[in-house]
Amino acid sequence: QVQLEQSGAEVKKIGSSVKVSCKVSGGRFHSYDISWVRQAPGQGLEWMGRVMPLLGTANYAQKFQGRVTITADKSTSTAFMELSSLRSDDTAVYYCARAVDVAVPAALGVWGKGTTVTVYS
Amino acid sequence: QTVVTQEPSSSVSPGGTVTLTCALNSGSVSTGYYPSWYQQTPGQAPRTLIYNTNIRSSGVPDRFSGSILGDKAALTITGAQADDECDYYCALYMGYGIWVFGGGTKLTVL
Repeated sequence: QVQLEQSGAEVKKIGSSVKVSCKVSGGRFHSYDISWVRQAPGQGLEWMGRVMPLLGTANYAQKFQGRVTITADKSTSTAFMELSSLRSDDTAVYYCARAVDVAVPAALGVWGKGTTVTVYS
Repeated sequence: QTVVTQEPSSSVSPGGTVTLTCALNSGSVSTGYYPSWYQQTPGQAPRTLIYNTNIRSSGVPDRFSGSILGDKAALTITGAQADDECDYYCALYMGYGIWVFGGGTKLTVL
């Protein structure tokens, strides 16, 4: 059974960066895309980007281009999402999600429990 | 700019049937957008219900079904239950590895 374990809550100052991790267990890590999705308080889901661990390549939503970096470490079956130049409206719960299958494209399938990032001034 | 639109809210009676939709500002939604649907209860991570238009995720009961209705993707819930009351999100694939979520529908069962 595939499980995604995310790192703990973060409190960051405006202008700094945050890096959230997502460790995948119970499956073949390198074969499945990992996406990152965030949800601001009281708001909807927002897709940020994804990494293809097999190729080590990533794609990002235009809104986050230049500010987000999503990577994958095959040796530890862990994906990372780093968001820089943090603003107060980056306060949100950040989820990682593994693709439902190895097809391209593949929807989000198994979700992590989320990591709360709070940005303060 | 790509905008995916869902009904902000919808309601259904217990045991009834409801259809939620997912539209695209730039045109019709087709299977080529690989529509998927996610369910989220307050304070919890989303749960995948449907992907590739109409494939149910593992463990999802068959009263949840996905389709294309006209120019929109649709999620139909038959025999609605009280614990179906939560938020539902669709997502569409835009190509080049990019997904876009709709704004979500808050479903009330009353």
